[in-house]
Amino acid sequence: DIQMTQSPSILSASVGDRVTITCRASRNIGHWLAWYQQRPGTAPKVLISEASTLQHGVPPRFSATGSGSDFTLTISNLQPDDFATYYCQQYSNYVTFGAGTKVEVK
Amino acid sequence: QAQLVESGGGVVQPGASLRLSCVASGFDFSSFSMEWVRQAPGKGLERVAFISFEGSTKYYAASVDGRFTVSRDNSKNTVYLHLSGVREDDTAVYYCMDQFIRGQGTRVTVTS
Repeated sequence: DIQMTQSPSILSASVGDRVTITCRASRNIGHWLAWYQQRPGTAPKVLISEASTLQHGVPPRFSATGSGSDFTLTISNLQPDDFATYYCQQYSNYVTFGAGTKVEVK
Repeated sequence: QAQLVESGGGVVQPGASLRLSCVASGFDFSSFSMEWVRQAPGKGLERVAFISFEGSTKYYAASVDGRFTVSRDNSKNTVYLHLSGVREDDTAVYYCMDQFIRGQGTRVTVTS
């Protein structure tokens, strides 16, 4: 199985900050990586697919890069709605999720 | 637009059985493998079961192998997860997915 290592597990930030979350795959997954946002009590929502493609309706302050085994999600100008937990997920070989990054108020 | 709608969850006692369903729409369901994942309260996302597009290949997480069974009916655009001998640590929201989680999930609570 492909393992996904996500860091940090907790990220403390303030409104207006620029934050970056990283995800590393245990082997090459090409660009088959998605990023999700999950707010408490709701289902995960896909933000980005194919490593860098923003889903319809996702604000452009979200961006992502990477290929192969190293990926990043960046949120520029952090907004109050962005305090949530973020997961990466590979879909190159079955599916595997990272352990999640909680973005909390500093 | 692709959609997945899960149902069938509920509150059950340890040892009980139940069947979860997931109805797909907006894409060619019969061409896609499907997976079930779950999220226990306060925890991350755990892969539970996989079924190939035609249903001939199935894989299970070690934690559910021998207790859960995945199946599909391509004529109904539906994938199922049959849970038997449930335990309290099976308590979770269960999501079906093709490549992505698209639905709201269905909650299973196992309690005596």
